Amino acid sequence: ETGVTQSPTHLIKTRGQQVTLRCSSQSGHNTVSWYQQALGQGPQFIFQYYREEENGRGNFPPRFSGLQFPNYSSELNVNALELDDSALYLCASSLEAADEQFFGPGTRLTVL
Amino acid sequence: QKEVEQNSGPLSVPEGAIASLNCTYSDRGSQSFFWYRQYSGKSPELIMFIYSNGDKEDGRFTAQLNKASQYVSLLIRDSQPSDSATYLCAVTRLLTSGTYKYIFGTGTRLKVLA
Repeated sequence: ETGVTQSPTHLIKTRGQQVTLRCSSQSGHNTVSWYQQALGQGPQFIFQYYREEENGRGNFPPRFSGLQFPNYSSELNVNALELDDSALYLCASSLEAADEQFFGPGTRLTVL
Repeated sequence: QKEVEQNSGPLSVPEGAIASLNCTYSDRGSQSFFWYRQYSGKSPELIMFIYSNGDKEDGRFTAQLNKASQYVSLLIRDSQPSDSATYLCAVTRLLTSGTYKYIFGTGTRLKVLA
């Protein structure tokens, strides 16, 4: 059974650029949630995808968007990057939304 | 009031002692509760989950839930230096879309002294 994977591991961008982060969910999991974790903080919920549809969103602006594909892998897109977007971006998969979530290794994004 | 509150620590305990980590939450409707361990620079790793009032034991770990007091705790028996990490408490919240999201606390940093 393959766990949750994410790519890339690290990324450096400049303010105003756009970025795409990728996630492959654990085998059999059809729910993917994305989180932003700033230094010293707990993960903050960005949004969740279930069977290719966004079915829940946190307090993040529309420049944070996503996709889920038929194989349940997912992308997080961030447009018009700001300095405050620098964080660890985590993807987590689960069978259902309220079930235990398993996290990928994360993508460390630095915006200069 | 934060939705999920944890003491940031650090909580220092000697090797072999019991570490007690606490978490309170504000939403009485929360149904599921999770403890994650996060080593510095790594992603969270699921330790325990609990849905019902009372205790749930798994090896050296015990999760305790008291919904009336809106309180969940994690006990680590026979603490080892390898247990030194940040422990995150997470609770589920029902969204208007009908799905659930996790709300995390800021975590408690545990240091086990050899």
